Amino acid sequence: DAGVTQSPTHLIKTRGQQVTLRCSPKSGHDTVSWYQQALGQGPQFIFQYYEEEERQRGNFPDRFSGHQFPNYSSELNVNALLLGDSALYLCASSSTGEDGYTFGSGTRLTVV
Amino acid sequence: GNSVTQMEGPVTLSEEAFLTINCTYTATGYPSLFWYVQYPGEGLQLLLKATKADDKGSNKGFEATYRKETTSFHLEKGSVQVSDSAVYFCALSDRTGFQKLVFGTGTRLLVSP
Repeated sequence: DAGVTQSPTHLIKTRGQQVTLRCSPKSGHDTVSWYQQALGQGPQFIFQYYEEEERQRGNFPDRFSGHQFPNYSSELNVNALLLGDSALYLCASSSTGEDGYTFGSGTRLTVV
Repeated sequence: GNSVTQMEGPVTLSEEAFLTINCTYTATGYPSLFWYVQYPGEGLQLLLKATKADDKGSNKGFEATYRKETTSFHLEKGSVQVSDSAVYFCALSDRTGFQKLVFGTGTRLLVSP
C-alpha cells in the first residue's frame, strides 16, 4: 500500500517566482494537510483540505494557497517566493475521525 | 494557544544507554499526544501516540505515558542503538481544531557505538 507521495523531491527557484508542489495521500485517506519545516525547526501548519475546501489555516500569508482534487490529491502553491520560503514542505494525510497523520518524505524547496 | 516544549539537543549517548527526552505541553481541552521521528533527509514517521490521560504509547522499544497532571509526555527507551540516531518531535493534536498538529522544535539524538 503506497503511503503519501510528494513531488518533486527537490526544487530550486528564484526569488519572485511561483512554485507548485504536489501530494497524493495514502489510500483511504480523505484529508490533506501541509506543513513547512524550516531548517532545525519543527513543522509549522500551513493549511488543511477536506472535501476540496480549505478547512483550517495556519499563520501563513495569502501567497500560500492550495487545492484539493476529487481524488483527494492536493497542490500547494506559493507565489512571489522569498528567500525565507526555503524549507522542507511536508504533506500529511489522514482519514476523517482518525487521530494522527501519515507524512510524505517532503519537497525540499530552495529559493535563491 | 496550544504549544509543545521539548528539551534541547543534541542528546549524545553510547549504545545500550537509557534514553529520556522530555516533552511538556500547553493545551485547552484534552489533546492527543504523539512522538514522531525524522531520519536524515526523510519525512516524519509516527513513532507512538496516546489519546487520553494515563495511556502509554509504545513502539520499537520506545515508550511514553500521557501525564495530564504534569502535562508531560516524555519519551523513554531502555537501551538505544546506533540506528536510533535521528531527530525526535513531540506533537499534540487538538481534537476541537480538525486535528491540526502542533510540534515542538525537535531533539536530535546521536548514538555512538
